[in-house]
Amino acid sequence: GAVVSQHPSWVICKSGTSVKIECRSLDFQATTMFWYRQFPKQSLMLMATSNEGSKATYEQGVEKDKFLINHASLTLSTLTVTSAHPEDSSFYICSAFPGQGIKNGGYTFGSGTRLTVV
Amino acid sequence: KQEVTQIPAALSVPEGENLVLNCSFTDSAIYNLQWFRQDPGKGLTSLLLIQSSQREQTSGRLNASLDKSSGRSTLYIAASQPGDSATYLCAVRQNQGGKLIFGQGTELSVKP
Repeated sequence: GAVVSQHPSWVICKSGTSVKIECRSLDFQATTMFWYRQFPKQSLMLMATSNEGSKATYEQGVEKDKFLINHASLTLSTLTVTSAHPEDSSFYICSAFPGQGIKNGGYTFGSGTRLTVV
Repeated sequence: KQEVTQIPAALSVPEGENLVLNCSFTDSAIYNLQWFRQDPGKGLTSLLLIQSSQREQTSGRLNASLDKSSGRSTLYIAASQPGDSATYLCAVRQNQGGKLIFGQGTELSVKP
């Protein structure tokens, strides 16, 4: 149980275009999901906290107009990288907290999306 | 502000060795601590979760300890195997449902 599905697993896009990444909780409801960014050989940095039915909370230094987050249902959060540029190329990972009722009780992560902007 | 540090950044060992990965955090008021494994280009797999009231957790060849007062956790891997090669990340949570704060990770390589 407690599976998070993330799509696509990789995407290549042209500079100036937008890319949408989906994060779904398959067997539990997630009122809160988290979006992380990871550069090569570095750890995960939290970008924003996605709250179902309300606005996302962005970490300091993250442009909310560039990284649009939508959490319209209890099982789906999306991250849209708008007007992507090569410096946005990175590995994006989502996670969700299944709740204490789920075995383990820790966070579950998606498989990540490798974004390359050319 | 909570900061999480992992030492060493990289570790290479021969197959069969027992090894210890270290994680330290600056604010001892944590809710829990979680150890993850990340294979290259992949997401994170949860290995062990230790609640703030616990001292250790075990799963197979893995044992994680937590000393909250000193701000330290260790991940012990017994009888290492080449398949254990990956990056190991520790992360702390300050409160229930709160965000995870990650260390930089330890890149482990187990040589056959």
